[in-house]
Amino acid sequence: AQSVTQLGSHVSVSEGALVLLRCNYSSSVPPYLFWYVQYPNQGLQLLLKYTSAATLVKGINGFEAEFKKSETSFHLTKPSAHMSDAAEYFCAVSENSGGYQKVTFGTGTKLQVIP
Amino acid sequence: GAGVSQSPRYKVAKRGQDVALRCDPISGHVSLFWYQQALGQGPEFLTYFQNEAQLDKSGLPSDRFFAERPEGSVSTLKIQRTQQEDSAVYLCASSSNFRGRRSYEQYFGPGTRLTVT
Repeated sequence: AQSVTQLGSHVSVSEGALVLLRCNYSSSVPPYLFWYVQYPNQGLQLLLKYTSAATLVKGINGFEAEFKKSETSFHLTKPSAHMSDAAEYFCAVSENSGGYQKVTFGTGTKLQVIP
Repeated sequence: GAGVSQSPRYKVAKRGQDVALRCDPISGHVSLFWYQQALGQGPEFLTYFQNEAQLDKSGLPSDRFFAERPEGSVSTLKIQRTQQEDSAVYLCASSSNFRGRRSYEQYFGPGTRLTVT
């Protein structure tokens, strides 16, 4: 069975500071990993995904994540936070279940950006 | 359409009422998923359709929950005799999911916020 753990339900950073959102996964097979962002009253939008190619994945809005198998981690980073980054972020893992992708989400991390 | 749409966006139901939530996926998307997102939690899988076939309903919390996609496009999630614990945001997602590849992105709708009073 697969699972995702996001450390820290709330993270606050100053505008311009480094953003680091942590995610650890558990999977019985090589994982496919995703980060989604959710703005208030909206659905989830894909930021980036790891699909066993390059371990450093670049996504939209300047975000990137590094897959580290030895640490079973897939932390999300952005060098310089912007006010518009304030949202909730979800890490997710996907596994094949009877011919389709079954996605398990973490509990989310709310990012607050302080001006 | 341009994206996944859901209606209504907000629904208030009295305990015991039946509700129906609609999802219009991206045109041509084979796969459709329903998720339940409780306050402060991540989305949790409810059910999966491939075209009109409901291939997995293991996440439906009780037999009061029922989903259908009769023509392989629009889907409806129905909750009978709503309870307060059903209060949540219900998200629909669709994916092209050709041959079940895990890398295929799911595109999410804005969700329906259900409040049971």
